[in-house]
Amino acid sequence: QVRLVESGGGVVQPGGSLRLSCAASGFFFGGYGMHWVRQRPGKGLEWVAFTRYDESLKYYADSVKGRHTVSRDNSKNILYLQMNNLRPEDTAVYYCARDQPAPWGQGTRVTVPS
Amino acid sequence: EVVMTQSPATLSVSPGERVTVSCRASLSVGSRLAWYQQKPGQTPRLLIYDTSTRATDIPTRFSGSGSGTEFTLTISGLQSEDCAVYYCHQYDTWPPVWTFGQGTKVEI
Repeated sequence: QVRLVESGGGVVQPGGSLRLSCAASGFFFGGYGMHWVRQRPGKGLEWVAFTRYDESLKYYADSVKGRHTVSRDNSKNILYLQMNNLRPEDTAVYYCARDQPAPWGQGTRVTVPS
Repeated sequence: EVVMTQSPATLSVSPGERVTVSCRASLSVGSRLAWYQQKPGQTPRLLIYDTSTRATDIPTRFSGSGSGTEFTLTISGLQSEDCAVYYCHQYDTWPPVWTFGQGTKVEI
């Protein structure tokens, strides 16, 4: 079955960087687009970024465009989110998700204190 | 961007009651609509995808219907463990900018 395991979260000061990872298993990772979605404390779900299966197309929410970069390593079945110039409003639990509906991982928490 | 609007924001019901959550899209999303259940401190759990297909191990009391811009999640006979926030999610658009409803809290 589809399994996604996020990691790499933590506490980072404003302006700092963090790289999130998402290890995928149970499906042909290299054949699917992948997304990052976040949930700020006490708030709803917010789409963050998408990469096509071959990285030929990438899209970002306006709130992270120019600061965050999505990438993937299909040989290792891993999705990444490089987060730069972090702001307090980036504080959230970050989830990776497959382009076609499937269970999500447990998420990884990012905290940027104000 | 397709805006997803859920109603109501909160639903107070009794065990065994039938629950209906509505989701409206600002543009047609065909049948590419999913529903998630989220309990406090937990990951959103996929309940329904493609409008009406139950995900693996989801009880039959959960059902989805609709098309285009109007969608409904129905819980037939609410159980106490169903108390949660429910989100609708469209995945139809290209570029693939996902959007979610703001959530409906179901409480007893």
